Amino acid sequence: LAKTTQPISMDSYEGQEVNITCSHNNIATNDYITWYQQFPSQGPRFIIQGYKTKVTNEVASLFIPADRKSSTLSLPRVSLSDTAVYYCLVGDPLGSARQLTFGSGTQLTVLP
Amino acid sequence: NAGVTQTPKFRVLKTGQSMTLLCAQDMNHEYMYWYRQDPGMGLRLIHYSVGEGTTAKGEVPDGYNVSRLKKQNFLLGLESAAPSQTSVYFCASSGGPDSYEQYFGPGTRLTVT
Repeated sequence: LAKTTQPISMDSYEGQEVNITCSHNNIATNDYITWYQQFPSQGPRFIIQGYKTKVTNEVASLFIPADRKSSTLSLPRVSLSDTAVYYCLVGDPLGSARQLTFGSGTQLTVLP
Repeated sequence: NAGVTQTPKFRVLKTGQSMTLLCAQDMNHEYMYWYRQDPGMGLRLIHYSVGEGTTAKGEVPDGYNVSRLKKQNFLLGLESAAPSQTSVYFCASSGGPDSYEQYFGPGTRLTVT
């Protein structure tokens, strides 16, 4: 399972766009990039997943360059309720165990 | 549709005591997982199951046992609790043939004194 590196913490203000970058230099051909969000005292929640280029859903966008050695989670116009820990994970969704490896994540704090 | 539920929500054990944590899912998922999360850290995989009757070790399996006798349930056992097992335990499940998304339960906060 590929190791990921992401900033420990980030601060932002309400209404701003937030970009969290994750480095995964040893990503394998079959690996996808997935982001989870975790609020205090809750289990993580799936945000978005992608393989290459750009993926967008109703809450976030995921940008993946051609070499796939990094990815950027983009949260548009954040609010106070987006304060949470964000985890970047890399792995093969069709692997035999579909294991996830969580790093320490990025603590995003949204300020008023 | 309750998703993933965990029992109990909180528990305090004395060193050496045993207990079982129950995880139940109603999404007919094949895959189930047990994680632990220590303060300020990410989740670490303890054990997992790829189907009824199967279990496998994760990253930190020592001191824990699991069973998956029914597809919807995944039990985590501590035979002789130690203070180092004080943690928050999360269960998760996933199921689709091309789905990487795991659905997590609300967690069990365990304190071993």
